[in-house]
Amino acid sequence: AQSVTQLDSQVPVFEEAPVELRCNYSSSVSVYLFWYVQYPNQGLQLLLKYLSGSTLVKGINGFEAEFNKSQTSFHLRKPSVHISDTAEYYCAVSDWNTGNQFYFGTGTSLTVIP
Amino acid sequence: DVKVTQSSRYLVKRTGEKVFLECVQDMDHENMFWYRQDPGLGLRLIYFSYDVKMKEKGDIPEGYSVSREKKERFSLILESASTNQTSMYLCASSSGGAKNIQYFGAGTRLSVL
Repeated sequence: AQSVTQLDSQVPVFEEAPVELRCNYSSSVSVYLFWYVQYPNQGLQLLLKYLSGSTLVKGINGFEAEFNKSQTSFHLRKPSVHISDTAEYYCAVSDWNTGNQFYFGTGTSLTVIP
Repeated sequence: DVKVTQSSRYLVKRTGEKVFLECVQDMDHENMFWYRQDPGLGLRLIYFSYDVKMKEKGDIPEGYSVSREKKERFSLILESASTNQTSMYLCASSSGGAKNIQYFGAGTRLSVL
């Protein structure tokens, strides 16, 4: 089974500053990678996904992530954050062997400070 | 758009009660999942189902059961609720195949007193 590590449980950042949320996974077999966002009192919403092709993927709200197979990482970035980006962010992985099952990290709480 | 609907946003139950959490999806997805979400622990898989009348245990099935009588509906059952089952419960669905995406409901926050 996969394991997913989100290295930072909380990330405070000032408005309009750049941010990077880190995600590493355990296995380098063929994987599919996802970032979800959860706003307060809501369910999880897909932010972006890597299924194949270009290792740099762009998602909603100006976020992007880069798949690095050699480092088994899928870090999420945004060049300039907004107050409305304050939320919980989850990295998730599925692989060829368990394509229907997702493995989630423990989440990173992003707080944007005005 | 895919819609996953959880019947209740908030529930308050007493210890020992039987609790039903209902989830309905409208995209004819084969797969449905129940997760539990707790601070610092992220999402933990309770049960999932690949087809009608079929279920598989996830990582933390103890104290829970599920029912999938129809393709669009997946129910989570707490046979005898306990205080340590106070949590946020999230339902998700996905189509079959490896490159599937999971779509989530808004969640049910359950308090067991």
